[in-house]
Amino acid sequence: KAGVTQTPRYLIKTRGQQVTLSCSPISGHRSVSWYQQTPGQGLQFLFEYFSETQRNKGNFPGRFSGRQFSNSRSEMNVSTLELGDSALYLCASSTGGYYGYTFGSGTRLTVV
Amino acid sequence: DQQVKQNSPSLSVQEGRISILNCDYTNSMFDYFLWYKKYPAEGPTFLISISSIKDKNEDGRFTVFLNKSAKHLSLHIVPSQPGDSAVYFCAATAQGAQKLVFGQGTRLTINP
Repeated sequence: KAGVTQTPRYLIKTRGQQVTLSCSPISGHRSVSWYQQTPGQGLQFLFEYFSETQRNKGNFPGRFSGRQFSNSRSEMNVSTLELGDSALYLCASSTGGYYGYTFGSGTRLTVV
Repeated sequence: DQQVKQNSPSLSVQEGRISILNCDYTNSMFDYFLWYKKYPAEGPTFLISISSIKDKNEDGRFTVFLNKSAKHLSLHIVPSQPGDSAVYFCAATAQGAQKLVFGQGTRLTINP
């Protein structure tokens, strides 16, 4: 079966711009979670959606937002980009929890 | 506040020997722990997990040990193989949390 698909794979943006990243979960998975990976910080939890509802949110500023559509696909948006937002953004899908969590390959965002 | 810590950024082990990766946590509410392996340009893949009601879980060459009183877990890989060279993340979660808290990762290099 197809895995978790994240698009685009690479992105270069300028400070102050906004960006939208997309995640298509494994078919049948209704939970999508987003994580930010930066060197030395591991993976930091951004938010989790289940059936179009945000169930949990990490400690990130309001510039980071997300949504989930009825087909379980999810997008995350970062507005007013800062240099420190440069990171690998990973999404993971599951049937409803951390069991069977499957990660996508990520979107590498570079802010210049 | 780093609730999950991997204090060794890197580890180098001879092929065929044992690799031991360590992880400490501070939150006593954590009741489920996982290890993920990550290759460059790929998302993390699930390796092995352990519930807080156990102190050991084995899966082939991989064994995870949990010491709840010390709030410490370790991953043992025996024997180590070149394909094990990757970054390893430990993660923890609590009942109903709907998110994983990750450590910073340890880069394991297996030398021939």
